[in-house]
Amino acid sequence: AQSVTQLGSHVSVSEGALVLLRCNYSSSVPPYLFWYVQYPNQGLQLLLKYTTGATLVKGINGFEAEFKKSETSFHLTKPSAHMSDAAEYFCAVSDRGNQFYFGTGTSLTVIP
Amino acid sequence: EPEVTQTPSHQVTQMGQEVILRCVPISNHLYFYWYRQILGQKVEFLVSFYNNEISEKSEIFDDQFSVERPDGSNFTLKIRSTKLEDSAMYFCASSIYPAGGSEQYFGPGTRLTVT
Repeated sequence: AQSVTQLGSHVSVSEGALVLLRCNYSSSVPPYLFWYVQYPNQGLQLLLKYTTGATLVKGINGFEAEFKKSETSFHLTKPSAHMSDAAEYFCAVSDRGNQFYFGTGTSLTVIP
Repeated sequence: EPEVTQTPSHQVTQMGQEVILRCVPISNHLYFYWYRQILGQKVEFLVSFYNNEISEKSEIFDDQFSVERPDGSNFTLKIRSTKLEDSAMYFCASSIYPAGGSEQYFGPGTRLTVT
């Protein structure tokens, strides 16, 4: 069975500081991994995804994530936080079927 | 840029009533999904739909739920007899390819409140 754990339901960083949002997964098959962002009153928007190939994946808005199989992790990072990054972030895993399994989300606050 | 739309944005209903949540997926997409998110909990998969039939469903998707694509544009989720625990945000999503192989595009959600 597939599952996702996001450590930290709320993360606060100062503007310009490193953003690190943690995601660990479990999967019985090689997973597809995703990060989605949700701004207030909007749907989920794909930030980046890992399917195969390079384990360091770059996404939109300067975010990137690294797939570490040995650690079963797919942490999301951004070198320098911007005020516009304040949102809810969801990690998800797919077992390559038609289901996505989401984490509980991490709310990112950026402090000016 | 094409987007998934959902109506209504907020629905309030009494326990035992039927509700229909509506979604318009992106026009060239072939795979359609419903998810729900109970306040403070994770986004949960309900059902996927392809070629006019359910391709996968979760254990949450019991006989009280049904989905339909009544025409070439709409994709609906019906809850026959709502319960208090059905109160949640419901998200519709669509994709060109099956879920694992391509991005799912999500709508803004419908907040369902059952009183």
